[in-house]
Formats: sequence, C-alpha cells, structure tokens
Amino acid sequence: DAKTTQPNSMESNEEEPVHLPCNHSTISGTDYIHWYRQLPSQGPEYVIHGLTSNVNNRMASLAIAEDRKSSTLILHRATLRDAAVYYCIPWGIQGAQKLVFGQGTRLTINP
Amino acid sequence: DTAVSQTPKYLVTQMGNDKSIKCEQNLGHDTMYWYKQDSKKFLKIMFSYNNKELIINETVPNRFSPKSPDKAHLNLHINSLELGDSAVYFCASSPYQSRGGASGEQFFGPGTRLTVL
Repeated sequence: DAKTTQPNSMESNEEEPVHLPCNHSTISGTDYIHWYRQLPSQGPEYVIHGLTSNVNNRMASLAIAEDRKSSTLILHRATLRDAAVYYCIPWGIQGAQKLVFGQGTRLTINP
Repeated sequence: DTAVSQTPKYLVTQMGNDKSIKCEQNLGHDTMYWYKQDSKKFLKIMFSYNNKELIINETVPNRFSPKSPDKAHLNLHINSLELGDSAVYFCASSPYQSRGGASGEQFFGPGTRLTVL
C-alpha cells in the first residue's frame, strides 16, 4: 500500500480558500488519488479523485503534481460544514482494491 | 431515501454475547464492505464482498463472520464479543466498473457504535 503523509491538523476561516496537502511519493503509476472526508459522528464521504490531470467537482478541486508524488485538495470557499477529517488515499485498479485510511488532516473552520 | 443504511445505530452488550449488525444498500452496487473505526479514530477495512463472494478478508478474528444473502445486503455477525471489539462499524458499497474491479468511490453508511461492557 502506498504511504501518505498529511498534516495532522489545519485551521482556516469561513469563506476563505483552504489548501489541504498530501504527499504520496510511493504511489504506483496506475493508482488514482482519492480524497474522502469524515464529518463528526458520520461515515466517510467521497470528495474527489484523479489520476494525472487536475479535477474539479461541486465539492472541491484536486491539484495533482506533475510527478504525482503529491496532491492538494482545494476547498474554494470553506464553510463551517466543511469542518472534518480529510483523507487522501491512493487507490489501485489492480491488486486488492481497498481504501487504506491514514490519520488524515483535521480541518477546523473558524466563523 | 437512504443509500446505505445500517441497523442498529447503537449496540450495547455484555462480553461473551453474540450480536449482528445489518447493512443494506439501495444503490444497485455489486461490492460491499465492512470497516472498523476504533477509539483512536483509525478506520480500517475488515471485509469486502463482490456479488455475494468474499474478496477481501483483512486477518479479522474468525469470531467475525460476514454474511451476504444477496448483493444488496452484507451483515456482520460477531461471536463471543470482547472488550476490544468496542468501536464504530461502518458498512460501505461501491459499483463495479466496466474496465474491471470495484470503483474507489465508496458510499458509507452512518455507522453502528458497538459498546462491549
């Protein structure tokens, strides 16, 4: 399983952009990068995923480094509801095909 | 309509008892999972089933037995409960992809908090 490194915690203010970094230097060439988040007392929730190109959806944007050894999840205008633990997870289309959750980044949003 | 549902939401029981947690998904997915989140908040996969067949078993004690009566249901039965089994258990599902293999986009249920006294 590819190892990931994320900051334990981050803090931001409401309505400001948030950039959540993740290092995954041992990622396989065919692994997708998935991001999930877990709001308090809820199950994890899929946010976004990508392979090489940057990706956008209604929740967030994903910027992937050219060498694929790191990625950044971007929340364009954080709201209080975005306070959660964010996980970046390499996902292989070959092999065991399982999500391996690390410790994630706990994001706090200040009003 | 709830996509992935689990029952019960809370389960408090004595050591040594046998209990079951039920999971149902109405998304038409082929693959279902059980995860355990311990008190330190580490979330770890336990089992994965694809179309009623076991495909991942992460060295979970054999006191834990998943059962999939059909592809919309994956239940978790736990025998001889121990204190260390106290955790939040999450069920999840994902679609199978045309290129083969399960999708990495998984849909999680709300969780079942199990407390063993």
